[in-house]
Amino acid sequence: DQQVKQNSPSLSVQEGRISILNCDYTNSMFDYFLWYKKYPAEGPTFLISISSIKDKNEDGRFTVFLNKSAKHLSLHIVPSQPGDSAVYFCAAIASGSRLTFGEGTQLTVNP
Amino acid sequence: NAGVTQTPKFQVLKTGQSMTLQCAQDMNHEYMSWYRQDPGMGLRLIHYSVGAGITDQGEVPNGYNVSRSTTEDFPLRLLSAAPSQTSVYFCASSFSGTAYSPLHFGNGTRLTVT
Repeated sequence: DQQVKQNSPSLSVQEGRISILNCDYTNSMFDYFLWYKKYPAEGPTFLISISSIKDKNEDGRFTVFLNKSAKHLSLHIVPSQPGDSAVYFCAAIASGSRLTFGEGTQLTVNP
Repeated sequence: NAGVTQTPKFQVLKTGQSMTLQCAQDMNHEYMSWYRQDPGMGLRLIHYSVGAGITDQGEVPNGYNVSRSTTEDFPLRLLSAAPSQTSVYFCASSFSGTAYSPLHFGNGTRLTVT
């Protein structure tokens, strides 16, 4: 039972454009959401997070949006840069539980 | 400050062999964990520890053992390797183990079991 799903295995965008990575979840008890970024041959690194009491969190070029009624969150990268090419994992947690990760989305930003 | 260090980077085992994946962190983090990453399945929690002497099972613990004798080290033991354990393994640590303390990952161990 995959409680966190990233339905797009891959996404390709042009440099300078917006990248939108999507994530859906089924557990309504999730109260905190995170995005991790992973380059080849490296471990994931924390990127940005959002609490369920908010609907938006912004950090530089990265913005995460949360739509609780739709059980959907998205990561926007504007403008996209070639160095953003990586696998992006969304993750979610409910109080007292452990992190649940999505399958990941491979983002490729073309120069 | 090395962060989370995993050894080895690569390993090939034959079915039935045993081995230990090493993980060490120098950030004085109480929480440490092991994940495996498989294509199309994301990162799945194998075992975790909230402090020295305390370990618990995650989502996919079968075939693996862990111990936590020090704050710094959290080795993962494969008792009798099986082809289904072919994967990339990541060790991760955090200050408190809650979502409010993001995980710091090592660079992974790529294991192939033939």
